[in-house]
This record gives sequence, C-alpha cells and structure tokens, in this order.
Amino acid sequence: DAKTTQPNSMESNEEEPVHLPCNHSTISGTDYIHWYRQLPSQGPEYVIHGLTSNVNNRMASLAIAEDRKSSTLILHRATLRDAAVYYCILRDMEATGGYQKVTFGTGTKLQVIP
Amino acid sequence: GEEVAQTPKHLVRGEGQKAKLYCAPIKGHSYVFWYQQVLKNEFKFLISFQNENVFDETGMPKERFSAKCLPNSPCSLEIQATKLEDSAVYFCASSQLRQFYGYTFGSGTRLTVV
Repeated sequence: DAKTTQPNSMESNEEEPVHLPCNHSTISGTDYIHWYRQLPSQGPEYVIHGLTSNVNNRMASLAIAEDRKSSTLILHRATLRDAAVYYCILRDMEATGGYQKVTFGTGTKLQVIP
Repeated sequence: GEEVAQTPKHLVRGEGQKAKLYCAPIKGHSYVFWYQQVLKNEFKFLISFQNENVFDETGMPKERFSAKCLPNSPCSLEIQATKLEDSAVYFCASSQLRQFYGYTFGSGTRLTVV
C-alpha cells in the first residue's frame, strides 16, 4: 500500500475550522483517499473519501491537491465531539474485495479546546 | 442491523487460556475483516473473509490464532493459549463488495491477558 504521512497531533479551539493535512507522495492513479476517525473507546469511523475533486459531506470536506500528493481534511467548526484520532488512508479502487484490507498509519490526534 | 456487533466488550484471560471473540457483520455485507490494535494508534490486519471463505490471512499468527465465518452465525476469532502480548483491542469490520465508501467497524473487544 502507498504510504501516508500525518502530523502526530494538532489542537483546535472549539467552533473554529480545523485543517488536518496528509501527505501521500507515492499515490497511484487508482488510489482513493479515505479518511477515518477513531473516537475514544470506539472503532474507526468512515469520514469521507475522494479521488481527484474536492468532496463535501455532512461531516467534513476533503481538499485534494492538483497533483494528488497531498490532501486536507477540513472540519468547518470543531466541536468537543470531534476530538479523535484521524487517519488518512489510500485504497486502490481496482482492488478486489480481499485486497480491500485497510492499512492504517498512526494518524493525527486532534484535541479540541473549549 | 446497521451496526457491526462485537462481543464481549471486555475479556480477561490468564496466560495460556483460550479466548474467543465474536463479530456479527451488517446484514448483506460480504466481507469481514479483523484488526488488532495493540498500541494506541497502531492497527494490525489479521484476516479477511468473503462470506464464509478466508480471503486473506496474511496477518494471522498461524500457531495460535484461528477464525471462522459460518453461515447464519456470528464470525469468530479464537486465540488458543493466550500470551501477554495478545492483550489488545480486536476490531471487526464489514463491507460490501467494492464498497469504496468504507468499512463499518464494531466497537471492539478489549482482551487483557494476565
């Protein structure tokens, strides 16, 4: 699997936007960029994914660089409930089900300050 | 249901005892994955199933770990003769074939070997 690099930790004030960066310089043309997050004492939770274009959903936005070597997860207004470890993961869209195993990096621990 | 149900939530075993963990995937999901989270952020892939067939077991310690997904039964992960190093949170996830928008994870089973 192509590797991703994320900062170990970040802080944000409550109700402010948060930009979580991810570098993936060895990304291939068929890799989707996925983001998951893990709340305390929970399993990872899907957040968003994209291929080339920026994406928005009810949880977050994903901004993908033009060369696709980096991306940024944007939480528009951080809440205390957003405190979690955020994982940026690459998944090959050509993979059959058995190769859909996800390789997690160490993620970014987001602390939200009231 | 729409959640992956893992039981038990907590399991304590003496070293050398057997441990058995269960996972009920979301109905209609063809793929089941098991992951082990030892340190806070590090996930290790163990095994995946396509329906009741093992698809990828490259992460399984073969000597003591085994897993099954039988029709009309929860999937199971069994550890014979547990060791202290098996202490971890074990997560199960399920997905549909080519479900690019991600896995659904259970909330995990915390295994403590004493």
